[in-house]
Amino acid sequence: GENVEQHPSTLSVQEGDSAVIKCTYSDSASNYFPWYKQELGKGPQLIIDIRSNVGEKKDQRIAVTLNKTAKHFSLHITETQPEDSAVYFCAVMASGGSYIPTFGRGTSLIVHP
Amino acid sequence: NAGVTQTPKFQVLKTGQSMTLQCAQDMNHEYMSWYRQDPGMGLRLIHYSVGAGITDQGEVPNGYNVSRSTTEDFPLRLLSAAPSQTSVYFCASSYYRSENTGELFFGEGSRLTVL
Repeated sequence: GENVEQHPSTLSVQEGDSAVIKCTYSDSASNYFPWYKQELGKGPQLIIDIRSNVGEKKDQRIAVTLNKTAKHFSLHITETQPEDSAVYFCAVMASGGSYIPTFGRGTSLIVHP
Repeated sequence: NAGVTQTPKFQVLKTGQSMTLQCAQDMNHEYMSWYRQDPGMGLRLIHYSVGAGITDQGEVPNGYNVSRSTTEDFPLRLLSAAPSQTSVYFCASSYYRSENTGELFFGEGSRLTVL
């Protein structure tokens, strides 16, 4: 089955710095790559996603980049703010395959004011 | 819009007791699933369903049962609770095998403690 590795497990930055979280996957058939944000005491919520026909997608301060050849994708958060502090999960899915997403183990991002 | 609703939010059980975690969604999603979240382990899939009457096992199914009699509801049953089942449980739903397949919608979670 699919194997998703997510790094780092914890990330501590100063407000205003950039944060980068990286995920690697094993199944070359995977073609949908979402990122979820989980705030304390809540369920995960989709913040950005990318499909395999594009290499980069941006939404204000967040962006996702995809390298299908190397089988990795990354979440980039610029100008971090304290409200960005949360656990972030990457996921991988193969539309046309099982359609069941596989999650990374999560990254705890702490933004210090 | 209610989205995905889970009940109860908190529950304490004694070893050997049984209980059911309820999950309901109002988005007409075909796919529904249960995850457990433990520190350092991420989200692990317990059971999932791709439609009424269809269920399948995920990564960690032992000790849990599910059924899907309607599109809206997907209850998770613990038949004989064990301390190892202490966790936070999330129900999630999405479209399945359509052009809208992708985003998972999660409930707020159910925190279960087994003594």
